[in-house]
Amino acid sequence: DAGVTQSPTHLIKTRGQQVTLRCSPKSGHDTVSWYQQALGQGPQFIFQYYEEEERQRGNFPDRFSGHQFPNYSSELNVNALWLGDSALYLCASTALGRPYNEQFFGPGTRLTVL
Amino acid sequence: DAKTTQPPSMDCAEGRAANLPCNHSTISGNEYVYWYRQIHSQGPQYIIHGLKNNETNEMASLIITEDRKSSTLILPHATLRDTAVYYCIVALDTGTASKLTFGTGTRLQVTL
Repeated sequence: DAGVTQSPTHLIKTRGQQVTLRCSPKSGHDTVSWYQQALGQGPQFIFQYYEEEERQRGNFPDRFSGHQFPNYSSELNVNALWLGDSALYLCASTALGRPYNEQFFGPGTRLTVL
Repeated sequence: DAKTTQPPSMDCAEGRAANLPCNHSTISGNEYVYWYRQIHSQGPQYIIHGLKNNETNEMASLIITEDRKSSTLILPHATLRDTAVYYCIVALDTGTASKLTFGTGTRLQVTL
């Protein structure tokens, strides 16, 4: 059983560009959350998707947007990239109705903005 | 979400127990304590969680004080593979996934 997968593994962009990151949740999971982890910091919650809708959102600007597809996979889009967006972007999945917040994380996408 | 406080780093000899403390003095009655760890270059991994009773699984034990203002994660026989950043998180568990608020965690170094 494949766990959470993310693509690409690494990405380099320049300021002002747009980027799309992808996530496939663990089999049987229907809820996907995205986190941003700057160097030396803990992950910060961006938003969460369930039933193709955004359920919760952290303190991130509208430049960060997402989408969830009928097969539960998800995309994170970031527009107008700036240097501060350089980070590890993590995707986590779980299934609503689980008795606790055991979220399964992918290995992340390392984004570098030059 | 309640805030947690953890020491920035700890060392432990391989084979010994690693005891990682966490303070969460503002925890509310319906918030759980979760522990995750992040091994270098990997995503965080769930370890254990609890409400008010002590909990044990195949990875670790969680001891929560009676007033619930602090807890300790215990790795009974630490190995080199347990070297990681350990995060203590307080979150609601309403049967739906909550956002997890990570701090900076405790960097545990296990040595020979």
